[in-house]
Amino acid sequence: GDSVTQMEGPVTLSEEAFLTINCTYTATGYPSLFWYVQYPGEGLQLLLKATKADDKGSNKGFEATYRKETTSFHLEKGSVQVSDSAVYFCALTPGQDGSGNTGKLIFGQGTTLQVKP
Amino acid sequence: EAGVAQSPRYKIIEKRQSVAFWCNPISGHATLYWYQQILGQGPKLLIQFQNNGVVDDSQLPKDRFSAERLKGVDSTLKIQPAKLEDSAVYLCASSLLWGLRLTEAFFGQGTRLTVV
Repeated sequence: GDSVTQMEGPVTLSEEAFLTINCTYTATGYPSLFWYVQYPGEGLQLLLKATKADDKGSNKGFEATYRKETTSFHLEKGSVQVSDSAVYFCALTPGQDGSGNTGKLIFGQGTTLQVKP
Repeated sequence: EAGVAQSPRYKIIEKRQSVAFWCNPISGHATLYWYQQILGQGPKLLIQFQNNGVVDDSQLPKDRFSAERLKGVDSTLKIQPAKLEDSAVYLCASSLLWGLRLTEAFFGQGTRLTVV
């Protein structure tokens, strides 16, 4: 079945360091890909998304590119801040036609990011 | 715009007791989801509704879990009887059906259940 695998955490970085969180997926058809973030004490929030191959999602300085050839959707940020400390989830929605229209999200296990001043 | 509302925020029960969680989605969102998030894991879909009909309940443990969305708006998830392994955060989410496409899912803050 469809699945998402994320790099193990926690990831600890100093402020202004470069961030990469790896995410790979297994899916049939044409899934849509997402990164969700969960700040301490808050609910899950959509960070960025990409619905087809080679699309780049971006938001708040974070970026991820949908790579169908490597089945990856790695999250990157050039300079992290203490306020970026959170749990990051990679996810997909299955789709046979590129619409990502089933709505159902399949999540990775999450990666905790801790940024120190 | 009000977000997805869930209650209660926290619940502690003994095993074999029953418990119910409530969710009110964003106004106008026809699709509603219940997810279970066990500590250290990603959320797992339990059930998906489209209006008041079930779209996917393949991972719902139907011997003890039930969910309903009678009027196509708010929803209740029930566990009866609870087991220790049901300790988790139960997340409700909703999305808008825009033509034939579903928009992104918006999540509530969740209900943290502890079964002792």
